Amino acid sequence: NAGVTQTPKFQVLKTGQSMTLQCAQDMNHNSMYWYRQDPGMGLRLIYYSASEGTTDKGEVPNGYNVSRLNKREFSLRLESAAPSQTSVYFCASRSSGTDTQYFGPGTRLTVL
Amino acid sequence: GESVGLHLPTLSVQEGDNSIINCAYSNSASDYFIWYKQESGKGPQFIIDIRSNMDKRQGQRVTVLLNKTVKHLSLQIAATQPGDSAVYFCAELYNQGGKLIFGQGTELSVKP
Repeated sequence: NAGVTQTPKFQVLKTGQSMTLQCAQDMNHNSMYWYRQDPGMGLRLIYYSASEGTTDKGEVPNGYNVSRLNKREFSLRLESAAPSQTSVYFCASRSSGTDTQYFGPGTRLTVL
Repeated sequence: GESVGLHLPTLSVQEGDNSIINCAYSNSASDYFIWYKQESGKGPQFIIDIRSNMDKRQGQRVTVLLNKTVKHLSLQIAATQPGDSAVYFCAELYNQGGKLIFGQGTELSVKP
């Protein structure tokens, strides 16, 4: 049972490039989340998926898109990366029976 | 908008002492709170949670206290160890979609 996994661990992009961050969970959780964490700050919600087939905007959705591919996988896409998107990105998941979210190890993204 | 915030950004304690990390919240409708520990380079790790119908909850070496009158949350760590050095976040649950709102974080440093 690996919990929540994220790939890649590190990524460097040039302004304007696109990429997709992958997240998968093996806990059979219904809800999944994408957050970003900037230096000295707490996590801010980008998008979430309350259940398979649904997605909703969080606090800072601009510049991102998401896909809930199936119950296990929730991807985050940057279509045209900007330096302001340099951050650490965390994926989390939650069972519908609880309120506790479990986090992955993060993807450290730098946009030059 | 309403938010969750922490009183102190840094806390330094001696090994073996007790630590107290504080958190203020402003959303009186929130009924669930979580403490996370984040070590350098890792994702947030669940420590303990509490619902608003409780004022105290204990775990292994950790206790969370909730004072709804003054909208204050605290995390107490008994006999603090070097392995407790990390950033600690409180988070407040927004009911819609299970969205968490995180505070800024407090960095705990344990001196041997």
